[in-house]
Amino acid sequence: DSGVTQTPKHLITATGQRVTLRCSPRSGDLSVYWYQQSLDQGLQFLIQYYNGEERAKGNILERFSAQQFPDLHSELNLSSLELGDSALYFCASSAQPQGPTDTQYFGPGTRLTVL
Amino acid sequence: AQKITQTQPGMFVQEKEAVTLDCTYDTSDPSYGLFWYKQPSSGEMIFLIYQGSYDQQNATEGRYSLNFQKARKSANLVISASQLGDSAMYFCAMREPYSGGGADGLTFGKGTHLIIQP
Repeated sequence: DSGVTQTPKHLITATGQRVTLRCSPRSGDLSVYWYQQSLDQGLQFLIQYYNGEERAKGNILERFSAQQFPDLHSELNLSSLELGDSALYFCASSAQPQGPTDTQYFGPGTRLTVL
Repeated sequence: AQKITQTQPGMFVQEKEAVTLDCTYDTSDPSYGLFWYKQPSSGEMIFLIYQGSYDQQNATEGRYSLNFQKARKSANLVISASQLGDSAMYFCAMREPYSGGGADGLTFGKGTHLIIQP
C-alpha cells in the first residue's frame, strides 16, 4: 500500500458526460501528479500540482482540468468524454515539487470506461 | 525521438534465475532521475528503485539493483533470484528538470512483460 488513495476504483459512463476522479496524497506529501494509461498511448503525464498550485503540465487535453484543494486532495475533471478517454487514471504523490530525484508513489488507479 | 526505450516487449525466465530488463534513455540535461516501477496484473504501480544522474554508485533495493551506465545512457534493472510473484509489467521512467523551474512529470517507456516460469 503506497498510502495514496483514489476513488472511485471503476467508473463507467457515456460519451459526452463529465466525471470527477479524486485523489488523496500520502500523509505529508505536497505534490500530486495525474497520469493516464491507455493501450495506444501508454503511460502519459497529465499535470502536477504542488501545495494547491499548478506546477507542470504534460499531455493534458483542454477538456480535462484538475485542482488541488487546501487539504491537499486533488480532483481530475474529465468532460465531453469520448470513447478514446477510456483508460486507467493514476494519481501519484511526492514530498517535494522540484528536482528530478523526488520519488513518486502511485495510487491504485481509477479505471474509466466510456461507452 | 523516444526518451525512454525498453527493447524487450516480453521475457520468459525460469524461477530462481537472475533477470536483466533493459532501459536506455535520452536526455541532454545533466540532472535527471531514473526510476523503475512494477505493474502486476492487478494494475497498481509499485515503485521499485531509483537512480540519480549524479549518484556514483549503482542503486540497490533488496533483490533489485540498477545497472547504471551513464556514458551509454542505460539504466538496466537486475532482479536476482526471480520469484513467481515477480511476473508483471516493468516500466522504466525518467524525470527531467522542467523549463519553468522544478521538474516535469515522469516519462515512461512502453514496458517489459516479465513472466517467471516454475
